[in-house]
Amino acid sequence: GDSVTQMEGPVTLSEEAFLTINCTYTATGYPSLFWYVQYPGEGLQLLLKATKADDKGSNKGFEATYRKETTSFHLEKGSVQVSDSAVYFCALSERYGNKLVFGAGTILRVKS
Amino acid sequence: EPEVTQTPSHQVTQMGQEVILRCVPISNHLYFYWYRQILGQKVEFLVSFYNNEISEKSEIFDDQFSVERPDGSNFTLKIRSTKLEDSAMYFCASSERHEQYFGPGTRLTVT
Repeated sequence: GDSVTQMEGPVTLSEEAFLTINCTYTATGYPSLFWYVQYPGEGLQLLLKATKADDKGSNKGFEATYRKETTSFHLEKGSVQVSDSAVYFCALSERYGNKLVFGAGTILRVKS
Repeated sequence: EPEVTQTPSHQVTQMGQEVILRCVPISNHLYFYWYRQILGQKVEFLVSFYNNEISEKSEIFDDQFSVERPDGSNFTLKIRSTKLEDSAMYFCASSERHEQYFGPGTRLTVT
């Protein structure tokens, strides 16, 4: 079945550092890919998405590019802030109306 | 901005009791979902619902679970006889197309 693998955390960075969180996936078809963020004590918020190969999703300074050849969707940000501290989940969905399959989540801690 | 809402935010119940978790999806969305997240673990799919019927369910969603859309706005998850291992955060989500939008969750504690 479909699966998502994320780099293990926690990832601890200093403010203004460059962030990469790796995500790779296994799917039978051509899924849509997502990054969700969960701030402490809150629900899941959609951060960005890409629905086909070579699409780049971006939001709030975060970016991820759908790479079919490497089955990856790595999350990047050029300069992190303390307020970016959260848990980041990579997820896929085979088609709209279908379930999301989540990775295990990566804790990001940003120190000032 | 429209959002998914869930009630209650926290529910404490005794083992064997029935609980109903409530959700109000975004009004023009057609697809509805329940997920759960046991503390410190990944988010797991429970069930999806479209056109007034279950479209997919996971192995977790056994006979103890049921979902209902009793009116045009609410979407409920019922657990008939709760077990200790049902303690988790339960998230409702809805979508119109690809993007699923999540509610803030209900923390269910079974004692």
